[in-house]
Amino acid sequence: NAGVMQNPRHLVRRRGQEARLRCSPMKGHSHVYWYRQLPEEGLKFMVYLQKENIIDESGMPKERFSAEFPKEGPSILRIQQVVRGDSAAYFCASSPLAGGTYEQYFGPGTRLTVT
Amino acid sequence: QQPVQSPQAVILREGEDAVINCSSSKALYSVHWYRQKHGEAPVFLMILLKGGEQKGHEKISASFNEKKQQSSLYLTASQLSYSGTYFCGTVGNAGGTSYGKLTFGQGTILTVHP
Repeated sequence: NAGVMQNPRHLVRRRGQEARLRCSPMKGHSHVYWYRQLPEEGLKFMVYLQKENIIDESGMPKERFSAEFPKEGPSILRIQQVVRGDSAAYFCASSPLAGGTYEQYFGPGTRLTVT
Repeated sequence: QQPVQSPQAVILREGEDAVINCSSSKALYSVHWYRQKHGEAPVFLMILLKGGEQKGHEKISASFNEKKQQSSLYLTASQLSYSGTYFCGTVGNAGGTSYGKLTFGQGTILTVHP
């Protein structure tokens, strides 16, 4: 029973490049949340997706960031033209159903370093 | 708005107890507790729901005061493995239509020494 999987675990990008972060939810989970954690800080909500739909992207920066969760395949968080301030750990979490009643299981995270 | 956790840090010896608090300024639907060790993913501990239902870890207890919008996590007879940063995450009571978006506190660092 595999947990939430994320890859890559570590990603180094130069300023101006693109970063693609992937998240495969737990089996049977169709709800995915992305969170960002800056060094020595708490987790901040970015976006909530269901299969083929973005439900809430209120935590996403308006520019350069996008997310998708296609019918087939993992959810992807895409950061275009990365800047040093994008360096952080990006976690995705999945849950079986929507709503605050259900626990979210976190993946191991992708640690993005922008040089 | 971000919930506020207290204390910011706790140092214990094995076997001692600790209480971590989480306070919100807005009405809550549920409170979720997680523990994160350095460089690792947050691990789910417990959910507390409006109405008193709880789901989670057998060895950890917590409370949720709906009137005060406060939750407390009780760690008893601490073990070395309890060390880590504890986060509360809150789900707002948006007319009963919350979909699970978590707003996390700033974390409480717990260190347990032998």
